[in-house]
Amino acid sequence: QSVLTQPPSASGTPGQRVTISCSGSSSNIGSNTVDWYQQLPGTAPKLLIYYNNQRPSGVPDRFSGSKSGTSASLAISGLQSEEEADYYCAAWDDRLKGWVFGGGTKLTVL
Amino acid sequence: EVQLVESGGGLVQPGGSLRLSCAASGFTFSSYAMTWVRQAPGKGLEWVSGVSGSGGSTYYADSEKGRFTVSRDNSKNTVYLQMHSLTAEDTAIYYCAKCGSYSPESRPTDWGQGTLVTVSS
Repeated sequence: QSVLTQPPSASGTPGQRVTISCSGSSSNIGSNTVDWYQQLPGTAPKLLIYYNNQRPSGVPDRFSGSKSGTSASLAISGLQSEEEADYYCAAWDDRLKGWVFGGGTKLTVL
Repeated sequence: EVQLVESGGGLVQPGGSLRLSCAASGFTFSSYAMTWVRQAPGKGLEWVSGVSGSGGSTYYADSEKGRFTVSRDNSKNTVYLQMHSLTAEDTAIYYCAKCGSYSPESRPTDWGQGTLVTVSS
């Protein structure tokens, strides 16, 4: 059971906008920033969003993140088939003194 | 370009030990914390341990405290994860990752391709 809670699955059609939620608590999301990772099938995770809403260089602006209180969300607009992957939220947890991840959301592009 | 290459994984019997290594290049190794994250087959990501740039500060997930030890050799640009008393629940791909700054509290930004550890008799 993961410390951060994500829906196990999400889906959308090409061009659509999808959002993935991430719920935590005061010791993690409530007091620290949230990051998002994308894991394409058979590959290592890749940093997608950091500091709640910042994109590393090379990440399209179709990806955006937000945070409010103890929850965060990732939005993907103009969905593309190659974005079918697992998406994970993450945050530092002040109580556990470690990084905590969501259980991951498998995004299917229909 | 940041490169992280893990090694040392393999098949180990329950109760056994294993030492993973992660060779880094493409950045000033001693200036960045390093972290280990694992992923059991078909499961999500689980943070395991982190070590500061100097090696002086270490963090562990509760489930690994006392069994795993993280260390680094900045002269060799290598970080290690020594694992003892392994159980089937430790079976996973172990990823090494570079953190965003000197502190292990900074996010993993660049990941290696992982090394598979299988605990089985």
